Amino acid sequence: GAGVSQSPRYKVAKRGQDVALRCDPISGHVSLFWYQQALGQGPEFLTYFQNEAQLDKSGLPSDRFFAERPEGSVSTLKIQRTQQEDSAVYLCASSLLPLDPKFFGPGTRLTVL
Amino acid sequence: DAKTTQPNSMESNEEEPVHLPCNHSTISGTDYIHWYRQLPSQGPEYVIHGLTSNVNNRMASLAIAEDRKSSTLILHRATLRDAAVYYCIPNRDDKIIFGKGTRLHILP
Repeated sequence: GAGVSQSPRYKVAKRGQDVALRCDPISGHVSLFWYQQALGQGPEFLTYFQNEAQLDKSGLPSDRFFAERPEGSVSTLKIQRTQQEDSAVYLCASSLLPLDPKFFGPGTRLTVL
Repeated sequence: DAKTTQPNSMESNEEEPVHLPCNHSTISGTDYIHWYRQLPSQGPEYVIHGLTSNVNNRMASLAIAEDRKSSTLILHRATLRDAAVYYCIPNRDDKIIFGKGTRLHILP
């Protein structure tokens, strides 16, 4: 009965470092989403998977951002050569089937110094 | 995706009903109307969704205008825990796109 979990909950990185953010969706959920939320703003869509297939990556802000979900369950969002503007909360969501309500994790707060 | 217009913020007294409006005049016939909310320091949570008919669940009610160009989320008896940003999201595919939402303040 666990919900969506994300780790780490907080990450501090020096500018230029690579980071990897993990999302464990609810077991059996087909759809998985990543969002970026800057302070005081609504969540911005980054990318979306159905099982292991990445169906939409139109929201990834640059080629430094990469997401994968190789076995159709756990997903990792990787940010290479982090920059200060990458500081945000990164949210993961999953849904049982396409078009079902989404369940969100608590987010990972990334701070780039 | 349909454009939405929501008040930036609203206030309500505790234990009173709250009506949160949303205009979505460019909605298409196949768009569902979803509402999510985000409590402070948490991820968004699903509230309710509907297509044409009014909908009720344990959290809220959704009233959809006959022409579907607007909808209203109704919290029947607001509590302090309902203080959050409420997002109205019309969509027809799997991904949801958040707008700015309405920040709801509950006064004790």
